[in-house]
Amino acid sequence: GAVVSQHPSWVICKSGTSVKIECRSLDFQATTMFWYRQFPKQSLMLMATSNEGSKATYEQGVEKDKFLINHASLTLSTLTVTSAHPEDSSFYICSARDSKAAEGTDTQYFGPGTRLTVL
Amino acid sequence: QKEVEQNSGPLSVPEGAIASLNCTYSDRGSQSFFWYRQYSGKSPELIMFIYSNGDKEDGRFTAQLNKASQYVSLLIRDSQPSDSATYLCAVKYNAGNMLTFGGGTRLMVKP
Repeated sequence: GAVVSQHPSWVICKSGTSVKIECRSLDFQATTMFWYRQFPKQSLMLMATSNEGSKATYEQGVEKDKFLINHASLTLSTLTVTSAHPEDSSFYICSARDSKAAEGTDTQYFGPGTRLTVL
Repeated sequence: QKEVEQNSGPLSVPEGAIASLNCTYSDRGSQSFFWYRQYSGKSPELIMFIYSNGDKEDGRFTAQLNKASQYVSLLIRDSQPSDSATYLCAVKYNAGNMLTFGGGTRLMVKP
């Protein structure tokens, strides 16, 4: 149980294009999903918290107009990197919180990540 | 600012030994504590969580929590080369659902 998928696994795109990454909770409902970014040899950096049916909450320094997040259902959140540039190249990882988990056990389960390379 | 601190390592232990990974956190309002393992190029996978003072054991892994000292640790018994990875400590505070991650400790288990 508690499987989170991401698609695509990796993507290479030209500078200026937009890239959409999907995050799905496969066997549980997730009212809250999280988007992280990880540069080589660095720890995870939370970009935004995605809430089903409402606007995402972005961390300080993350441009909401550049990183569009949509959480339209209890099992799907998408991150769109608009007008991607080489500095956006990174490992993007989503996680999902099981909405029905007991208090204190509501762990986050991570997707396998999406490696984005912008040329 | 809420902080989670880990020694970046690498921590090197021989195969079969006990690996001890440590994590400190700054906010006494912290509620739950998590240990994740991350292999190079992969996403983190949950090892275990703990939210009460004391020890929690799961197979070869033991998490230890001391809220008074704001300290959480992970012990790995009978370390195997396959345990070589970066171990991330994460803390959930009272407000909200987000986790704050430490920088991770790289563990190397040598055959």
